[in-house]
Amino acid sequence: DSGVTQTPKHLITATGQRVTLRCSPRSGDLSVYWYQQSLDQGLQFLIQYYNGEERAKGNILERFSAQQFPDLHSELNLSSLELGDSALYFCASSVGGDPWGNEQFFGPGTRLTVL
Amino acid sequence: GNSVTQMEGPVTLSEEAFLTINCTYTATGYPSLFWYVQYPGEGLQLLLKATKADDKGSNKGFEATYRKETTSFHLEKGSVQVSDSAVYFCALSDPLTGGGNKLTFGTGTQLKVEL
Repeated sequence: DSGVTQTPKHLITATGQRVTLRCSPRSGDLSVYWYQQSLDQGLQFLIQYYNGEERAKGNILERFSAQQFPDLHSELNLSSLELGDSALYFCASSVGGDPWGNEQFFGPGTRLTVL
Repeated sequence: GNSVTQMEGPVTLSEEAFLTINCTYTATGYPSLFWYVQYPGEGLQLLLKATKADDKGSNKGFEATYRKETTSFHLEKGSVQVSDSAVYFCALSDPLTGGGNKLTFGTGTQLKVEL
């Protein structure tokens, strides 16, 4: 158990809908990351927050948005869902926001299925 | 941009066989290198890491040496067990690209160990 929790574990929805994925980082971690794992794209970095502020952005679609709240939990919002958004979405956390010594610990993931 | 290339899987070995999974990288700066493991139905777990050239990361019998001259970080284990069956991801974090601490992953190599 990494200490990172994600809810829900599974999510099934229809095209055009909007969903929210939630992540609680390990106690004491200030940085949260979101990754998407799909069969065709592999593991892709989406976005990173550090202490409530956006720190780095990857190939995140405009239909997707995220935020980190004062209690440090994070939410990833996916809207106007398409079939191709079906994937496993991982959250990770680390103590700091920079690459030096800040190992990322991953949650169990949320499996999103868009029908 | 940064990239990580891993050998294609699946790799099928008999128990107690020697394991090598190749990983090479392209990076702008001086990245940190990681191996993550994903067991079926679970999130990613950090297996080992190396932060500078010639560093050797090791954990649970697995080893990998950061080779700057060949831009490689091959994973090895002298004697695999059935319980090592999983997907292994090579990844890098490059402090010189875009700020933050994003991980760039390879495509993953599935390992199957048989009795």
